[in-house]
Amino acid sequence: DSGVTQTPKHLITATGQRVTLRCSPRSGDLSVYWYQQSLDQGLQFLIQYYNGEERAKGNILERFSAQQFPDLHSELNLSSLELGDSALYFCASSPSSSLRSYEQYFGPGTRLTVT
Amino acid sequence: GEDVEQSLFLSVREGDSSVINCTYTDSSSTYLYWYKQEPGAGLQLLTYIFSNMDMKQDQRLTVLLNKKDKHLSLRIADTQTGDSAIYFCAEVVNTDKLIFGTGTRLQVFP
Repeated sequence: DSGVTQTPKHLITATGQRVTLRCSPRSGDLSVYWYQQSLDQGLQFLIQYYNGEERAKGNILERFSAQQFPDLHSELNLSSLELGDSALYFCASSPSSSLRSYEQYFGPGTRLTVT
Repeated sequence: GEDVEQSLFLSVREGDSSVINCTYTDSSSTYLYWYKQEPGAGLQLLTYIFSNMDMKQDQRLTVLLNKKDKHLSLRIADTQTGDSAIYFCAEVVNTDKLIFGTGTRLQVFP
């Protein structure tokens, strides 16, 4: 158990809908990272937040947004969903603000299925 | 580009050594990582190497880095069935993005 929690575990929704994925980092970790894992795109870094502020951006679509709240939990919002958005979404946390830190702890993931 | 490439599959016999290879593209990468993903689980950091190192050993794991060829490898000694998983290498690009390889599925058979 990494200490990172994600909810829900599974999500099934229809195209065009909007969903929110939630992540609680390990106690004391200030950074939260979001990743998407799909069969055709592999594992991709989406976005990082550090202590409430956006710190780094990866291959995140404009239809997707994220935020980190004062209690440090984070939410990833996916809107106007398409079939291709079906994937595993992972959250990771780290005590450091920099990706150079190797201390990233991954949650179990949320499996999103868009039908 | 930012491609990190790995072979897709590797099959080894229990007790043998496994070598998983990775080719990365960003010569300025300062940190390179190996992660393990077991079925239905998230990623677990196995080990990492700084770009100023050629080799790092951590129990059964040995990481070799050839900066000239931009080649990274992970050797697992005395491979066990519990090592069956997908292994990802990853590099830090532009100090703000972590780019993962395509993953290598390691299957260990008795």
